[in-house]
Amino acid sequence: SQTIHQWPATLVQPVGSPLSLECTVEGTSNPNLYWYRQAAGRGLQLLFYSVGIGQISSEVPQNLSASRPQDRQFILSSKKLLLSDSGFYLCAWSVLSASISGNTIYFGEGSWLTVV
Amino acid sequence: GENVEQHPSTLSVQEGDSAVIKCTYSDSASNYFPWYKQELGKRPQLIIDIRSNVGEKKDQRIAVTLNKTAKHFSLHITETQPEDSAVYFCAASMMYNFNKFYFGSGTKLNVKP
Repeated sequence: SQTIHQWPATLVQPVGSPLSLECTVEGTSNPNLYWYRQAAGRGLQLLFYSVGIGQISSEVPQNLSASRPQDRQFILSSKKLLLSDSGFYLCAWSVLSASISGNTIYFGEGSWLTVV
Repeated sequence: GENVEQHPSTLSVQEGDSAVIKCTYSDSASNYFPWYKQELGKRPQLIIDIRSNVGEKKDQRIAVTLNKTAKHFSLHITETQPEDSAVYFCAASMMYNFNKFYFGSGTKLNVKP
């Protein structure tokens, strides 16, 4: 079965410091990968998505970037964090499939980022 | 692009009552509509989904209805229990193309015992 792992689970970073969140998917090939952000008590904002290695699309302009160095690995980065970057970051995956369960999106456990 | 609106933003019901959450979407090409439940501090989890070729789907106490003409879909929870308290998100997507999921803003459901 497919699983998705995301780390670290929580982190507290000072303003201006770098960020790296990592996500890996197991049990599937060529997944679509996503990074979402959820501010406290708010909805899910799509940050980046990827259909393949090295292919990254950004949804909103920001000081974050994403990379996909391997098929099942997705990394969210920042060179200099802002206070507004605080939130709950969720990695997710989906695959194109004729079955309905294969078309939905599944989320990782999430990473709580607090920028201080 | 697709725009998904969700109402209400908060919903408080008495245990045993029914709860209904409604979503509308803008892109008639959307054909897959999942619903997610997110408990505090945890990841959203899929609870039910529906394709556009189906008008209604039921799974025990939860059901989803879809009106393609009006471009709206709803989540119905019957006989609510305190453990149903959570934030619920609707989403719209297009199957068989790249799966770009558009989420509603969420509904915080509080079931009072």
